Amino acid sequence: AQTVTQSQPEMSVQEAETVTLSCTYDTSESDYYLFWYKQPPSRQMILVIRQEAYKQQNATENRFSVNFQKAAKSFSLKISDSQLGDAAMYFCAYRSSFGNEKLTFGTGTRLTIIP
Amino acid sequence: SQTIHQWPATLVQPVGSPLSLECTVEGTSNPNLYWYRQAAGRGLQLLFYSVGIGQISSEVPQNLSASRPQDRQFILSSKKLLLSDSGFYLCAWSVSSGEAQNTGELFFGEGSRLTVL
Repeated sequence: AQTVTQSQPEMSVQEAETVTLSCTYDTSESDYYLFWYKQPPSRQMILVIRQEAYKQQNATENRFSVNFQKAAKSFSLKISDSQLGDAAMYFCAYRSSFGNEKLTFGTGTRLTIIP
Repeated sequence: SQTIHQWPATLVQPVGSPLSLECTVEGTSNPNLYWYRQAAGRGLQLLFYSVGIGQISSEVPQNLSASRPQDRQFILSSKKLLLSDSGFYLCAWSVSSGEAQNTGELFFGEGSRLTVL
């Protein structure tokens, strides 16, 4: 079974600085999706960024980018120019591409932004 | 555009009482539907998912059950709540993996906070 590990329960960053959240996963499959979701205090899960495993280029969405290392099974999220609104729980997630409809989540990293 | 609604947003129930949380999706057909639970300070645990009407897969043996009476309706139920059922419940939908427009992600509702006393 696939597992997703987030080894940083909590992280903090100074406003306007850059922070990187770590995620590793375990799978025997070659094609899959990886995601970072954000859960602000309102509790609704919001997709931040997605990566398809067959794509070598790292995904980028404005201030958010990933470092996808397929061989190392690592998928870290970099947040540049951190803003107060970035404070939230961040979850890394994995989904197989081959007929497996389930999304497996890590345990999350709580990000605090220091003004 | 697609939307997902779940209710109630907040629920306080005594131990032993029944539970019904409802989720509906609009703007799409034949979605995959999911119920996740998030205990305080913890990650998301998949409880049930459904790939079609009447098709329910259970991930964790427990005091809960799920039903999908209509294509875009997903219901989480319990006949007798336990204290351990307290938590934040999230409904989600996704495009089926066999669909051309599938991008793999799940789209979440706003959640339902259940407190069992």
